[in-house]
Amino acid sequence: EAEVAQSPRYKITEKSQAVAFWCDPISGHATLYWYRQILGQGPELLVQFQDESVVDDSQLPKDRFSAERLKGVDSTLKIQPAELGDSAMYLCASSPDRTEAFFGQGTRLTVV
Amino acid sequence: KQEVTQIPAALSVPEGENLVLNCSFTDSAIYNLQWFRQDPGKGLTSLLLIQSSQREQTSGRLNASLDKSSGRSTLYIAASQPGDSATYLCAVSQAGTALIFGKGTTLSVSS
Repeated sequence: EAEVAQSPRYKITEKSQAVAFWCDPISGHATLYWYRQILGQGPELLVQFQDESVVDDSQLPKDRFSAERLKGVDSTLKIQPAELGDSAMYLCASSPDRTEAFFGQGTRLTVV
Repeated sequence: KQEVTQIPAALSVPEGENLVLNCSFTDSAIYNLQWFRQDPGKGLTSLLLIQSSQREQTSGRLNASLDKSSGRSTLYIAASQPGDSATYLCAVSQAGTALIFGKGTTLSVSS
């Protein structure tokens, strides 16, 4: 069964360091989402791509976060510099047509 | 701005009990509603998708209903099992937008 792949599964980084997460969506899915989930809360959208174009990045803290999906397939989310408050689960999801979304296993980030 | 609320925040039941999880949303102009399951430290698993034109969807022991006009959805779990213990998240999308999530209901089923 096709799955959304994310790596790494876990990441511990020091404050002020750079960190990057990778996502490979289900083949053929044009829409890709990055969400952030703080413990005990629901996921919140960071950025939405349609193919290689950003559709919505209104909640992305652009002073430290960046996201790209250069060939409209896999995507990278970067944080530089990381802050203590960035500790969270980072979830990637994809959708064939902006209807049903399929999520990966997430990357658990701890900033120390 | 669309807001999604899930009640209760936590629920504990004995094995075998039928239960209902509630989800409400403030803007009835939704495109679809999706229920997810999340195990501790893991990603989200899609359980059921209800499109705006539908009233309910069923999968095994799960049944989800949608009342768009009142801004409500329920997830019914029949004959609960310890393996159903997880957090259940409700999310809605509107035309062209990404899913907006509630905070979830954490379910614990004891044997």
